[in-house]
Amino acid sequence: AQSVAQPEDQVNVAEGNPLTVKCTYSVSGNPYLFWYVQYPNRGLQFLLKYITGDNLVKGSYGFEAEFNKSQTSFHLKKPSALVSDSALYFCAVRDEGTDSWGKFQFGAGTQVVVTP
Amino acid sequence: DSGVTQTPKHLITATGQRVTLRCSPRSGDLSVYWYQQSLDQGLQFLIQYYNGEERAKGNILERFSAQQFPDLHSELNLSSLELGDSALYFCASSVGLAELGDTQYFGPGTRLTVL
Repeated sequence: AQSVAQPEDQVNVAEGNPLTVKCTYSVSGNPYLFWYVQYPNRGLQFLLKYITGDNLVKGSYGFEAEFNKSQTSFHLKKPSALVSDSALYFCAVRDEGTDSWGKFQFGAGTQVVVTP
Repeated sequence: DSGVTQTPKHLITATGQRVTLRCSPRSGDLSVYWYQQSLDQGLQFLIQYYNGEERAKGNILERFSAQQFPDLHSELNLSSLELGDSALYFCASSVGLAELGDTQYFGPGTRLTVL
């Protein structure tokens, strides 16, 4: 069975500092990994995904994530955070294994607070 | 704006009632997914349709049902509503199959309040 964990409920960072949001996963096959962001009273917006290929994935709004198979992690990073990055971030995983075909598992979400 | 539309934005109803939520996918997308987001359960996958056919089921209650119509819009029907059904319901769509790596694009959601 697949699972995804976001170990931090909230991340606080000062504007201009690096931002990291952690995500670890457990799958039986090859993982498909996604990051989404949710602003208050809005739907989820796609940031980036890893399917295969280069372990460093670049996405929207200056975000990137690194797929680390040995550590089963897919942490989201931004070199210099903006106040407007304050939002709820979700990691999601889809296991390539057929027993979980079509089913996505979202993490509990990490609230990012960027202070001026 | 993702291109996925959902109606209504807000819905307030009473326990025991039945409601229908509607979703129109992005132009050209064949897959539709329904999710429930609540404070205690987080974001839960409910069901997926691809080109009119049910593709995958998640944590969907028997009181809930969905369908995708020939014009590819989808409806989620929630019946015998309980207080615990109060949540944000999101629809997402993708060109093909998200399980093959296609990106899901989410609508703005319908906020359901059951009193």
